[in-house]
Amino acid sequence: GAGVSQTPSNKVTEKGKYVELRCDPISGHTALYWYRQSLGQGPEFLIYFQGTGAADDSGLPNDRFFAVRPEGSVSTLKIQRTERGDSAVYLCASSLLLRDTQYFGPGTRLTVL
Amino acid sequence: TQLLEQSPQFLSIQEGENLTVYCNSSSVFSSLQWYRQEPGEGPVLLVTVVTGGEVKKLKRLTFQFGDARKDSSLHITAAQTGDTGLYLCAGAWDNYGQNFVFGPGTRLSVLP
Repeated sequence: GAGVSQTPSNKVTEKGKYVELRCDPISGHTALYWYRQSLGQGPEFLIYFQGTGAADDSGLPNDRFFAVRPEGSVSTLKIQRTERGDSAVYLCASSLLLRDTQYFGPGTRLTVL
Repeated sequence: TQLLEQSPQFLSIQEGENLTVYCNSSSVFSSLQWYRQEPGEGPVLLVTVVTGGEVKKLKRLTFQFGDARKDSSLHITAAQTGDTGLYLCAGAWDNYGQNFVFGPGTRLSVLP
């Protein structure tokens, strides 16, 4: 389909491990956003990209979290030394331009044991 | 800390009934959005409101932005089972309207 896709759909890992979550935005969308949604909560903003650069990373909880978008399309959210509190659904969204409608992917459910 | 509150947290009604859910903040929004999210999916944008007092209608859904731009409501007329889902509001406080903060959502169940 032509929507935002995220892989994997589910990821189970052990405490202390490193994980990478991938987001494929809608083709041609210049802005890309990452959110985290914990059970019973709304999405929490993490970071957004305009092109290849991180325009606002103020939502990243600590330096274990890092995201890249090297070619201005696909983005990877990287989490080092995972903790049980990192367990959540990680959502990616893209928009054609900044301030345009954001289209969300289905998310990656991360479980840290 | 800028917080968005949504009420009720849970709502279960029969098909055909009307309902209203609310989104409130102590801060003034530059714009506010309403989304619906179904299990296993990402949120889908329903509407964006930017002007105090604004009312927007989307079929059986009516969205109202408070005059002071601190609150909003979503009214559904004659609810259908397909309306079941998590209704999220998201507010932007800065002039760029880019960094939205989401409320915790209202989980609506419409029973046949």
